[in-house]
Amino acid sequence: AQKITQTQPGMFVQEKEAVTLDCTYDTSDPSYGLFWYKQPSSGEMIFLIYQGSYDQQNATEGRYSLNFQKARKSANLVISASQLGDSAMYFCAMREEASGGSYIPTFGRGTSLIVHP
Amino acid sequence: DTAVSQTPKYLVTQMGNDKSIKCEQNLGHDTMYWYKQDSKKFLKIMFSYNNKELIINETVPNRFSPKSPDKAHLNLHINSLELGDSAVYFCASSQDDSGWDTQYFGPGTRLTVL
Repeated sequence: AQKITQTQPGMFVQEKEAVTLDCTYDTSDPSYGLFWYKQPSSGEMIFLIYQGSYDQQNATEGRYSLNFQKARKSANLVISASQLGDSAMYFCAMREEASGGSYIPTFGRGTSLIVHP
Repeated sequence: DTAVSQTPKYLVTQMGNDKSIKCEQNLGHDTMYWYKQDSKKFLKIMFSYNNKELIINETVPNRFSPKSPDKAHLNLHINSLELGDSAVYFCASSQDDSGWDTQYFGPGTRLTVL
């Protein structure tokens, strides 16, 4: 079963507007962490923001914030005041428990964001 | 200073050949990973090493053999390359293998098998 679901294969937003990228997850762990990464067309993977399940507040990093709804198991990324340079693939990720007590990093299938001028 | 580096950045080779990709991190992290990203951008973990010990092997064909000479290096050797091996391979590292820590990725190696 897929651990991380990103339901929007592609999104479009006008420059300077806000956009929300969806991420839902499935876990039975009482505590966990969720990550968002950005992959621009140049190919590198860039860490954006982290949310811990027991964090009291939603995570924010500059123009990035997380709309974390624990009961709904969703951790949507909000990008405010979109810029042309925000055009990229965005991946949601978390750990998945594997056999033997190890943890496997698991990524969603990503959302392609295009920012229009 | 580059935190996680990979060489080469591009690799074009014929079917049946053997090739290696090297990865080094200077972050002092204990855990390193290899990922494969396919043409649809799906990122899937292949291997994970913690302090030179293999901890994750995600049913990867045994033509793929990772080697970690020390905790700062994790190399990937691929034997008898097949067309389906064409992909972008990413190396990454994190402080430990708990899954709590941010992973830092290398620039990727685009492998094309002809």
